[in-house]
Amino acid sequence: DTAVSQTPKYLVTQMGNDKSIKCEQNLGHDTMYWYKQDSKKFLKIMFSYNNKELIINETVPNRFSPKSPDKAHLNLHINSLELGDSAVYFCASSPPGVQEQFFGPGTRLTVL
Amino acid sequence: QKEVEQNSGPLSVPEGAIASLNCTYSDRVSQSFFWYRQYSGKSPELIMSIYSNGDKEDGRFTAQLNKASQYVSLLIRDSQPSDSATYLCAVNRYNTDKLIFGTGTRLQVFP
Repeated sequence: DTAVSQTPKYLVTQMGNDKSIKCEQNLGHDTMYWYKQDSKKFLKIMFSYNNKELIINETVPNRFSPKSPDKAHLNLHINSLELGDSAVYFCASSPPGVQEQFFGPGTRLTVL
Repeated sequence: QKEVEQNSGPLSVPEGAIASLNCTYSDRVSQSFFWYRQYSGKSPELIMSIYSNGDKEDGRFTAQLNKASQYVSLLIRDSQPSDSATYLCAVNRYNTDKLIFGTGTRLQVFP
């Protein structure tokens, strides 16, 4: 299936831990994004990468670090997790020259 | 003022009716506009994009854009219970890849 995929789907962890979420797209898109959707369902962009280069870096704590090993992958590493990091994190991608974005299934992160 | 504003709803319509979802945006130079549908517990799914003033139709969906009024809407004809979801309006910030989302309108279609 051609799609944007994320792992894991669910992540439950303790405060202070470090965790990573992985994202892969096999659509041949150049640009990938990370979004956070909070408990009020507000969807906000965090980062975007275009062909492994960081393009958008919103006001996000530096505990969050994206990494793009190649243009098909964009991972998100979170250090020293806090309760407020609990949310659903969505990865998305878009083709070159097009602003339409296609979302992965999401990773529900719960910090206890 | 929020960059993209939507009424949170819920908007309740009977099956077979037209559902009308509205969105206003603040950045006058925005060029690209999108409607996403999000079922509970699922990811946003792109259903319509519109770039120029006027109407754009795709099946039961019609997107309407009025840049002078900074207003974009989505009409769903012959609404079905399966259309019950949250509809997110997204606006592309000019000259960037950044999409700014509204908080979404929850639509309920009752039989």
